[in-house]
Amino acid sequence: SQQGEEDPQALSIQEGENATMNCSYKTSINNLQWYRQNSGRGLVHLILIRSNEREKHSGRLRVTLDTSKKSSSLLITASRAADTASYFCATAAYSGGSYIPTFGRGTSLIVHP
Amino acid sequence: KAGVTQTPRYLIKTRGQQVTLSCSPISGHRSVSWYQQTPGQGLQFLFEYFSETQRNKGNFPGRFSGRQFSNSRSEMNVSTLELGDSALYLCASSIRVAGQGGTDTQYFGPGTRLTVL
Repeated sequence: SQQGEEDPQALSIQEGENATMNCSYKTSINNLQWYRQNSGRGLVHLILIRSNEREKHSGRLRVTLDTSKKSSSLLITASRAADTASYFCATAAYSGGSYIPTFGRGTSLIVHP
Repeated sequence: KAGVTQTPRYLIKTRGQQVTLSCSPISGHRSVSWYQQTPGQGLQFLFEYFSETQRNKGNFPGRFSGRQFSNSRSEMNVSTLELGDSALYLCASSIRVAGQGGTDTQYFGPGTRLTVL
């Protein structure tokens, strides 16, 4: 099963609105990362937040992390049509003696111009 | 620096055949990971190589194998292809291997779209 699960699975908003997507995970983590994927392409790293951080900003992106709830959220402010993409959270799950990078199923964001 | 490159970008094979995909990481990156992405299963980790050694392996059958060369370039091979192997195969490189510090930032290639008929 996936270590991280994004919610909602799909989000449709108008340009200029804010978009919030959430990620829940199961085991303890050292860091959590968010990636973006445009249709059928590779993933692009957006932001990394460490387990001892609660909030991090990068441009129009704001990420929060609540380790007590094992959850993270990604907020995109003043969205643009170019933000249309799938967004994934990624953690490392310990399995079989090593750390396995694991990704959630993603949130599909559509921003209407 | 040049990004991660993957070849070929598209591939069509028939059941029972085998396929080899190639990945060239960012210069200086010694870790290469492979992922399979399908609509049903999402992004699934296949394996990770670091300094020519497989360091981590996901839950895939032995038909899926890989290797890494001394220049960090990596190949993955799928033998006896099945219809369910149709997917986007993504390669990602990073400076370090996934460890107790968590996953390092990974830089992804554009992927190879494999279609099995």
